[in-house]
Amino acid sequence: EAQVTQNPRYLITVTGKKLTVTCSQNMNHEYMSWYRQDPGLGLRQIYYSMNVEVTDKGDVPEGYKVSRKEKRNFPLILESPSPNQTSLYFCASSFFGQPQHFGDGTRLSIL
Amino acid sequence: KNEVEQSPQNLTAQEGEFITINCSYSVGISALHWLQQHPGGGIVSLFMLSSGKKKHGRLIATINIQEKHSSLHITASHPRDSAVYICAAPHMNRDDKIIFGKGTRLHILP
Repeated sequence: EAQVTQNPRYLITVTGKKLTVTCSQNMNHEYMSWYRQDPGLGLRQIYYSMNVEVTDKGDVPEGYKVSRKEKRNFPLILESPSPNQTSLYFCASSFFGQPQHFGDGTRLSIL
Repeated sequence: KNEVEQSPQNLTAQEGEFITINCSYSVGISALHWLQQHPGGGIVSLFMLSSGKKKHGRLIATINIQEKHSSLHITASHPRDSAVYICAAPHMNRDDKIIFGKGTRLHILP
């Protein structure tokens, strides 16, 4: 089944404790992207990747890192999480110029 | 001002009503996406269109590139259509960068 898989789905953690949210897709998509969704602000793009080893900043990259060592995986790394990164996060992938497939979302709470 | 504006922000209607959600954008775009987000949070891509009209079941999306406007219509609305509908546009010169509207929360009453 074609899918984008995010893990974990839910995480409560504390300020400063490094965390990684994984994203994996099985559709051989070149394009992958991370978004955060906050009430009143909607979806905002954090980072995206056009292909392996090619990543670029979206609108809100501060406090986040990504890597694209393999085509299928695009992890989101919070080196030193802070409470303002409490949010709902989505990973998505697509062939370039095609509709995106979204993961189920990861709800992060940073205390 | 957000580069992608949706209206209305919230819409409540009775089952069976014809629904229209609007999206206006100020940037040049190559195509426009309509997404659906259900109360559980999952996001599904409904349409991607760059001209004219597309139809899928009871959903119809139209776009007027000259007027920089798109509409999503739902015919014979049903409570299961209750969701947040989001339009999103890749930037004309930066297809890799996506700009989202803030969404329209639709509630269909039985």
